[in-house]
Amino acid sequence: KNEVEQSPQNLTAQEGEFITINCSYSVGISALHWLQQHPGGGIVSLFMLSSGKKKHGRLIATINIQEKHSSLHITASHPRDSAVYICAVRLGNNDMRFGAGTRLTVKP
Amino acid sequence: DTAVSQTPKYLVTQMGNDKSIKCEQNLGHDTMYWYKQDSKKFLKIMFSYNNKELIINETVPNRFSPKSPDKAHLNLHINSLELGDSAVYFCASSQDGQSYQPQHFGDGTRLSIL
Repeated sequence: KNEVEQSPQNLTAQEGEFITINCSYSVGISALHWLQQHPGGGIVSLFMLSSGKKKHGRLIATINIQEKHSSLHITASHPRDSAVYICAVRLGNNDMRFGAGTRLTVKP
Repeated sequence: DTAVSQTPKYLVTQMGNDKSIKCEQNLGHDTMYWYKQDSKKFLKIMFSYNNKELIINETVPNRFSPKSPDKAHLNLHINSLELGDSAVYFCASSQDGQSYQPQHFGDGTRLSIL
């Protein structure tokens, strides 16, 4: 079993829908990252969290350290949000573990 | 200006060859990383360098060696390439090695072994 589990694996939404991607982890972490990988392959760091909640534009990320769970929300989704979203956790020794990714497709 | 640049973007080579992938960052960051993304799109950290010191060495074969001539560069050398080395390799950098610092990624190098 992977130390970082994401759900769902694949998600198709209509433009404008509210989207939630979940990440659960089973190890002690110092931080959690949400990454976006575009269809062309490039990777962008969206958020880093160690507690609470962060917001950037239409994106919101939350983390519950006690429950070892994080969520990434996208409000008013748009076709340009179509990408693979990857959850990554940073361990105390600076090592990193990655989820398998959630492939999001937003249809117009 | 590209913040983290990798070259080449594509690399096709024969099994057994030795190859290098270059990475440069112009962000003034102290820490650089190499990641491997396999055919199933699963990312795994390989190395990170902070001020020319290796601070993570994931269990990768010793055919892979990172080389950092200065803090703006972290090149990846691979000896005796094997079929299983086919993957996309990403370079990244962060201000320092602290967990709260964001990482900036290069566009990736797709390595294909024939």
